[in-house]
Amino acid sequence: QVSLVESGGGVVQSGMSLTLSCTASGFGFSYSGMHWVRHAPGKGLEWVAEISFDENKKFYMDSVKGRFIVSRDNSGNTLYLQMNSLRLGDTGIYYCVKGGGYYPRQYFESWGQGTLVTVSS
Amino acid sequence: DIRLTQSPASLSASVGDRVTITCRASQGIIKSLAWYQQRPGRAPKLLLSGASKLESGVPSTFSGGGSGTDFTLTISSLQPDDSATYFCQQYYGVPLTLGGGTRVEI
Repeated sequence: QVSLVESGGGVVQSGMSLTLSCTASGFGFSYSGMHWVRHAPGKGLEWVAEISFDENKKFYMDSVKGRFIVSRDNSGNTLYLQMNSLRLGDTGIYYCVKGGGYYPRQYFESWGQGTLVTVSS
Repeated sequence: DIRLTQSPASLSASVGDRVTITCRASQGIIKSLAWYQQRPGRAPKLLLSGASKLESGVPSTFSGGGSGTDFTLTISSLQPDDSATYFCQQYYGVPLTLGGGTRVEI
């Protein structure tokens, strides 16, 4: 059974940094494309970033390029999202998601419960 | 970027009703479309991929159709548990994009 557990969320001031983690189990993590998707308050879901199984390919949404870095540790079954220069608009619940289908064009097969990031002024 | 427009933004229906939600893509995406259900306070759940392929464990009251730019999600007989927000997502191109959501109230 797929399990994805996010951690690392919290309240942070604008301009500061935060790193999210996602611990995966119940599937072949080291063979899977992985994604971060966020849900801002009062808005729809937004895909944020993705990473290939071997870390060779990474893609980001335009508004986080140059500020966020996605990475993974396949030996520890863990996905990361390093978020720098945080903005008020980055506030939201961040979900760790296992990709389905063929990387990089994947659907979101399994979701974690999410971790809340609040950026304050 | 491929934009997805869902309609309606919200709807209210009764138990047993047939409900249809539409998702229109700004360019052709063949059948590279998925649908998700998100209940309040919960993580989204994958319902269908490939526009019409039902995920294991999803009730057969859910069905999907369409190809190219126009897609539908149909709930053939609405149940109380179906009260949720539904999102479509295209995976034809990167960046992956999602529709704005349709809130279904019972």
